[in-house]
Amino acid sequence: KAGVTQTPRYLIKTRGQQVTLSCSPISGHRSVSWYQQTPGQGLQFLFEYFSETQRNKGNFPGRFSGRQFSNSRSEMNVSTLELGDSALYLCASSPRADRNQETQYFGPGTRLLVL
Amino acid sequence: GQSLEQPSEVTAVEGAIVQINCTYQTSGFYGLSWYQQHDGGAPTFLSYNALDGLEETGRFSSFLSRSDSYGYLLLQELQMKDSASYFCAVRSLTGGGNKLTFGTGTQLKVEL
Repeated sequence: KAGVTQTPRYLIKTRGQQVTLSCSPISGHRSVSWYQQTPGQGLQFLFEYFSETQRNKGNFPGRFSGRQFSNSRSEMNVSTLELGDSALYLCASSPRADRNQETQYFGPGTRLLVL
Repeated sequence: GQSLEQPSEVTAVEGAIVQINCTYQTSGFYGLSWYQQHDGGAPTFLSYNALDGLEETGRFSSFLSRSDSYGYLLLQELQMKDSASYFCAVRSLTGGGNKLTFGTGTQLKVEL
């Protein structure tokens, strides 16, 4: 079974631009979560989607948004990019979204550099 | 809010045993997970504890004490390939739903 895939793997943008990142979960997984990883802040939770509905959101500004499609694929968008948005963005999928969703399968990430 | 504390760095020799501790503060605690991440790689799931006690998976074991808000990951028969960052993570009920909160990670260096 193929793992979680993320595109693109690397991206360079300039301040003020917007970016859309894509994530395809493992086949059959309906839950997708997004995380931002930086050296200073570590792994921080962005959003969690299940069956096209956002079930939870982390403490990020409204410039960060996401969505999930009927095939469980997910996208996240960052508008008006800032230098501090430079990070590794990780997507993780899980078979279900409930309290026992302890196993998340991570994709390789998209490394975003904002200049 | 939620917070997790773990040591930033641990060094051990090949073949030894190492324990990585994690203490947490959270409300609506569901369980404690451990993830491994090699440099340049994605985090991979190692173990999960929802109940008190020890869970063993091969060379790795994880322990949880909910009354102490404490857990640890035990790695036995260390190998060079175990050099990586290890994160504890708590799934808890917060706000309008549940989310996974990660610790800042412990970098494990295995030496010859």
